[in-house]
Amino acid sequence: KQEVTQIPAALSVPEGENLVLNCSFTDSAIYNLQWFRQDPGKGLTSLLLIQSSQREQTSGRLNASLDKSSGRSTLYIAASQPGDSATYLCAVRGYSNSGYALNFGKGTSLLVTP
Amino acid sequence: DVKVTQSSRYLVKRTGEKVFLECVQDMDHENMFWYRQDPGLGLRLIYFSYDVKMKEKGDIPEGYSVSREKKERFSLILESASTNQTSMYLCASTKGTDFGYTFGSGTRLTVV
Repeated sequence: KQEVTQIPAALSVPEGENLVLNCSFTDSAIYNLQWFRQDPGKGLTSLLLIQSSQREQTSGRLNASLDKSSGRSTLYIAASQPGDSATYLCAVRGYSNSGYALNFGKGTSLLVTP
Repeated sequence: DVKVTQSSRYLVKRTGEKVFLECVQDMDHENMFWYRQDPGLGLRLIYFSYDVKMKEKGDIPEGYSVSREKKERFSLILESASTNQTSMYLCASTKGTDFGYTFGSGTRLTVV
């Protein structure tokens, strides 16, 4: 069964810092990997989707990389802002459940202080 | 933008009640999903549907059932609500294996 791990579980940084969130997965047979943001009590907002054939994706201050062979992905946030405070979830779409379902990590809770 | 709409943000139900959670998507997606999210356990898949009237069990289907009579609507049913079903319920949809998921805003269900 696919296991997805996110490190660190929580992170606090001062505004303006660049930071990296890590995600690892145990089975490299994946279709794609998706990073989400979740604000307290809310649903998930998609940030970036990386297909298994891609190495990275960028959106604004966010950059996500994928190394499928080693089972790792990173989410890089440049010039962090207090509004970036949220929980960030990594999810992998593998071949289990006929390739339909995502397997989630437990998230990294990020706090950016002014 | 794709929209996934969950009919209720907050629900309070009594033990033993039959509970319906509704989810509607507006982008003609084939695949729809129900997850629950609990502190320390993360998101867990309850059921999913890859086509109208088709359903598959996820990792934790016990105590739940689903209905998909129309492509845009996927309902989660708690046959007899119990306190251990108090949770955040999240609905999602996707077009296919090469596409990302879109999630609804969630329903916080409390069973008393």
